[in-house]
Amino acid sequence: KAGVTQTPRYLIKTRGQQVTLSCSPISGHRSVSWYQQTPGQGLQFLFEYFSETQRNKGNFPGRFSGRQFSNSRSEMNVSTLELGDSALYLCASSPGLAGYGADTQYFGPGTRLTVL
Amino acid sequence: AQKVTQAQTEISVVEKEDVTLDCVYETRDTTYYLFWYKQPPSGELVFLIRRNSFDEQNEISGRYSWNFQKSTSSFNFTITASQVVDSAVYFCALSDRDDKIIFGKGTRLHILP
Repeated sequence: KAGVTQTPRYLIKTRGQQVTLSCSPISGHRSVSWYQQTPGQGLQFLFEYFSETQRNKGNFPGRFSGRQFSNSRSEMNVSTLELGDSALYLCASSPGLAGYGADTQYFGPGTRLTVL
Repeated sequence: AQKVTQAQTEISVVEKEDVTLDCVYETRDTTYYLFWYKQPPSGELVFLIRRNSFDEQNEISGRYSWNFQKSTSSFNFTITASQVVDSAVYFCALSDRDDKIIFGKGTRLHILP
């Protein structure tokens, strides 16, 4: 079975721009979660989507948004980029809801975003 | 509030030595789940184990073992006879009723040949 795939793997943007990251979950998985990883803050939860609905959201500003399509693929968008948004963005999928430890998440390789 | 503490920021051991990575967690819930993930240089987090709060049995998987102790709120991870391929960052994580998964800061493990 193919794992979680994320595109693109690397991105360089400038401040003020917007960016869209894509995640394709493992076949059959209906939940997709997004995380931001930085050296200073570590791994932080952004949001989880299940059946095209956002089920949970972390403490991030509204510039961070996402969506999920009927085939479970998900996109994450960051508008008005700031230098502090430079990070590794990881996507994880699980068969069911990942919240409350209900299901194990499997991670993709991440998209490394650099904001100049 | 939930919290996961991995006090060891970085550890270096010589190959074939045993090494234990510590994880201490905080939660007010009685039902929760604990995880360990490995992040090799490629960046992808690799799932290692998931344990619920009602199962305190220690677990062994090959050279890996986990010691879960509710009395001390710890979920430690031991690698026996370490190998260079074990070099990675290891994360402990907690999920409880708050419905989010909280990760520790990670422990960077260097296995020296």
